[in-house]
Amino acid sequence: GAGVSQSPRYKVAKRGQDVALRCDPISGHVSLFWYQQALGQGPEFLTYFQNEAQLDKSGLPSDRFFAERPEGSVSTLKIQRTQQEDSAVYLCASSLDSITEAFFGQGTRLTVV
Amino acid sequence: GESVGLHLPTLSVQEGDNSIINCAYSNSASDYFIWYKQESGKGPQFIIDIRSNMDKRQGQRVTVLLNKTVKHLSLQIAATQPGDSAVYFCAESKAAGNKLTFGGGTRVLVKP
Repeated sequence: GAGVSQSPRYKVAKRGQDVALRCDPISGHVSLFWYQQALGQGPEFLTYFQNEAQLDKSGLPSDRFFAERPEGSVSTLKIQRTQQEDSAVYLCASSLDSITEAFFGQGTRLTVV
Repeated sequence: GESVGLHLPTLSVQEGDNSIINCAYSNSASDYFIWYKQESGKGPQFIIDIRSNMDKRQGQRVTVLLNKTVKHLSLQIAATQPGDSAVYFCAESKAAGNKLTFGGGTRVLVKP
């Protein structure tokens, strides 16, 4: 596709359930970012990949959050034992390299009930 | 921690008028600043960027101004249109392609 694709668009999880959110970056983009956006706020950085290497995971809020990009393309953000405070829109962005702007996907809205 | 913030949460503007959205940043090490537009249910859309070695950059109907002395960033939208209604975020980073620190956003409402 032409842009960053995320799936599912919406996810409702019961508290304590595990979820997996998928990001398909723009083809050929080396850098991939995950952000978390709470309602009415700006996105907050979670983690960054350069190809398959996770170079920065300083924004992950707890060890329940895990991200991977095993082949340097598709990335998955996994949240274990979801809590209500995990409810947010999870945004993925990719950029061609480390010196060009990032393009965002439409996000996955996670609601934990 | 260091962050990027906004002065006005909501801006109401008449169609055809110019809009100005302001942003303050605190990280003097930031070298790259970006404005994003976010419509309901969509991801942030890149509008325009500026590097710290510049103080002004123009795009199509948009201008970004950077004042490093007072750490202030602004976005000017000329002849605002209904399609400009959205939330606008400023963001900063050490370089293009690096992780971004976003402000809280300003909602722009365009009145017909």
